[in-house]
Amino acid sequence: GAVVSQHPSRVICKSGTSVKIECRSLDFQATTMFWYRQFPKQSLMLMATSNEGSKATYEQGVEKDKFLINHASLTLSTLTVTSAHPEDSSFYICSARGDRSSYEQFFGPGTRLTVL
Amino acid sequence: DAKTTQPPSMDCAEGRAANLPCNHSTISGNEYVYWYRQIHSQGPQYIIHGLKNNETNEMASLIITEDRKSSTLILPHATLRDTAVYYCIARSYFGNEKLTFGTGTRLTIIP
Repeated sequence: GAVVSQHPSRVICKSGTSVKIECRSLDFQATTMFWYRQFPKQSLMLMATSNEGSKATYEQGVEKDKFLINHASLTLSTLTVTSAHPEDSSFYICSARGDRSSYEQFFGPGTRLTVL
Repeated sequence: DAKTTQPPSMDCAEGRAANLPCNHSTISGNEYVYWYRQIHSQGPQYIIHGLKNNETNEMASLIITEDRKSSTLILPHATLRDTAVYYCIARSYFGNEKLTFGTGTRLTIIP
């Protein structure tokens, strides 16, 4: 299947700082990318959907000003957690879908964010 | 998307077939059944999907009942590396393209 990478794999930051997470589709063009968040022992919760070149669509309850999503190219989407707080500590996972993947979503390995 | 119901946990002996059930009694005609799994601290991995016919690939088999209200994912020879949370998702092939994850089944393979 197609490969999706995330960087960094884990990050520790101080409260109040901003953290950027990158999601890349390595061998296909991703017209749509999705960002999920997963707290310990819970399922994945969709945060937002982004289409290349347009604004992201956020799920209910997700603050768009806190979780900035940019999908500037067909192979790269970024999630910036602004003014991070300890409650933002979570496992963030992106997935990507391209036109030739028959609506399949391929997931990245995830980024573990810890806010001190 | 139709809601799915899975048992919260299951055990299976190594080398035996693991059969994971999923109920999707409200599935509509254009919704596929997808299976993903998530090994601890990793992103979900696609396993298989189907509409109404049984499907098989190198990872697993998917058996869908004739009325499409339930399905079973079969891992024919479970190994320790198959220990993971398995998610059954009913999703329309068209329109809403989001994958919505339920709580899944935590499968533990016992040595």
